[in-house]
Amino acid sequence: DAGVTQSPTHLIKTRGQHVTLRCSPISGHKSVSWYQQVLGQGPQFIFQYYEKEERGRGNFPDRFSARQFPNYSSELNVNALLLGDSALYLCATTSPGQGNTGELFFGEGSRLTVL
Amino acid sequence: AQSVAQPEDQVNVAEGNPLTVKCTYSVSGNPYLFWYVQYPNRGLQFLLKYITGDNLVKGSYGFEAEFNKSQTSFHLKKPSALVSDSALYFCAVRDSNHGGSQGNLIFGKGTKLSVKP
Repeated sequence: DAGVTQSPTHLIKTRGQHVTLRCSPISGHKSVSWYQQVLGQGPQFIFQYYEKEERGRGNFPDRFSARQFPNYSSELNVNALLLGDSALYLCATTSPGQGNTGELFFGEGSRLTVL
Repeated sequence: AQSVAQPEDQVNVAEGNPLTVKCTYSVSGNPYLFWYVQYPNRGLQFLLKYITGDNLVKGSYGFEAEFNKSQTSFHLKKPSALVSDSALYFCAVRDSNHGGSQGNLIFGKGTKLSVKP
């Protein structure tokens, strides 16, 4: 079975531009979370979506937005890019029915470099 | 507020020796605790979790972790380290009282494990 897939794997943008990152969950997984991992730090929670509704949001500015589609795939959008947005963006899903006890299954990430 | 501390930036171990990677946590309710491993330029791989029950949890690749409620710790251990265990290890916690967002894991900053032959 395919794991969590993310695209693109690498991308370079300049300050002020906009970026869209994409994630396809494991088949049957309906919850998608997004994390930002800055070099040398642990992942930080950005958003969680379940059944196309936002279920949680981390401490990120409004430049960050996301959505989930009927097939449970998800997009993370970042507007007006700043140098500090350079990071590995990770998508993660959880098995249905596990609630708060379920582990996250991560994709390989999208590495964004802002110049 | 929920938090996780990994006090060591790096742990160095000789192959064949036991290893311990330390983690302490702070939550208001009961903790759900997780360990993940990350290889260079890769995503995070789940190793093990503690939800309830036996304080010693066994996971993937021979790793185990011990939950200690009084010390609010969840240290990762392995009896005999391999060179291939060299990677970045993250401890994470979710507060059972944190309603709604099952995706919201709080991660530590990570500990780099280096196993030398």
